[in-house]
Amino acid sequence: ETGVTQSPTHLIKTRGQQVTLRCSSQSGHNTVSWYQQALGQGPQFIFQYYREEENGRGNFPPRFSGLQFPNYSSELNVNALELDDSALYLCASSAGQGYTGELFFGEGSRLTVL
Amino acid sequence: GNSVTQMEGPVTLSEEAFLTINCTYTATGYPSLFWYVQYPGEGLQLLLKATKADDKGSNKGFEATYRKETTSFHLEKGSVQVSDSAVYFCALSRPTGANSKLTFGKGITLSVRP
Repeated sequence: ETGVTQSPTHLIKTRGQQVTLRCSSQSGHNTVSWYQQALGQGPQFIFQYYREEENGRGNFPPRFSGLQFPNYSSELNVNALELDDSALYLCASSAGQGYTGELFFGEGSRLTVL
Repeated sequence: GNSVTQMEGPVTLSEEAFLTINCTYTATGYPSLFWYVQYPGEGLQLLLKATKADDKGSNKGFEATYRKETTSFHLEKGSVQVSDSAVYFCALSRPTGANSKLTFGKGITLSVRP
């Protein structure tokens, strides 16, 4: 069974640029959630995708957008990067129906915005 | 809205000491409660969970009891080991449609010295 994998693991961007982060969900999972974890803070929910449709969004501006593909992998896109976007971005997958509350997390993509 | 409050850290203990990490929550209705752990260099992973009042979650010697009357879900372990050194997050979920998001506390770093 393959776990959740994220890429890239680290990246550095400058303010105003755009970034795309990628996530492959765990085998058999059709739901992907994205979280932002700032230094010293708990993860904050960005949005969730279920069967290629957005299924809930946290308090993040529209420049944070996402996609889910037919194979349930996902992308997080952030436009017009700001310094405060520097954080660890976590992807988590889960099985949709009969959800038990356990999310399976990847190791994250650490974004630094200069 | 929903929120989770964890005790301030970090916490440093000697091996075999007793551990308590406090967690309280605010939520409408009956959330599910979780403890996630983040070991150095790894992704978040579920440690234990409880889905209704008076349930006790347990795993790897850790325990937490869902206390609705005090809105708490404190984590305990009778004898910590060096390998328990990690960041611990308390979290809750409320279902939204077919799936749910997690609301996390800030996390607390536990260091166990030999």
